Amino acid sequence: EAGVAQSPRYKIIEKRQSVAFWCNPISGHATLYWYQQILGQGPKLLIQFQNNGVVDDSQLPKDRFSAERLKGVDSTLKIQPAKLEDSAVYLCASSQNVGVGELFFGEGSRLTVL
Amino acid sequence: KQEVTQIPAALSVPEGENLVLNCSFTDSAIYNLQWFRQDPGKGLTSLLLIQSSQREQTSGRLNASLDKSSGRSTLYIAASQPGDSATYLCAVRPGGNQGGKLIFGQGTELSVKP
Repeated sequence: EAGVAQSPRYKIIEKRQSVAFWCNPISGHATLYWYQQILGQGPKLLIQFQNNGVVDDSQLPKDRFSAERLKGVDSTLKIQPAKLEDSAVYLCASSQNVGVGELFFGEGSRLTVL
Repeated sequence: KQEVTQIPAALSVPEGENLVLNCSFTDSAIYNLQWFRQDPGKGLTSLLLIQSSQREQTSGRLNASLDKSSGRSTLYIAASQPGDSATYLCAVRPGGNQGGKLIFGQGTELSVKP
């Protein structure tokens, strides 16, 4: 069974530039999560989708971050404009059902903002 | 508000030693608790999932316990090996209408010396 796929693995940009990350969850998984992990900290939820609807985006900085999940499968997370403090690993995860079951994570996309 | 704490932040042990990693959470109303392993520059690998009705789960040399009433979980690693060196994260899924997100601790960085 293929795992959660993410790209790109690494990205370096200047502050105020934009960046986009892509995630393809495990086939059949209805719930998709984007987490931000700053160095030395545990992951923090940015946004959660159930199929193509948003369940929780309470910690998403909506003035600069946006995310979508078209057709309830792939998802894209965008940052525009980026700030220095956005340097982190962006992790995508999926699970079969909301509220139950294991989360499976991708390898992550490491962003460095200069 | 649910908070998850892992102590110590780092641990170094000689190969072959049995060890325990600790995780505490402030609100006992949880659906489940999940332990993850994270290697440097990698995503999270799920190790064990304990449902709120369970007391423990075992997988190979790993055993995780859950005491909801005291807000604690432990991950026991038997006969540690250098390959066990990684950061271990625990995460709880809050009960109630929380949408299924996981709340993570900061992690314990384990180093097993040959």
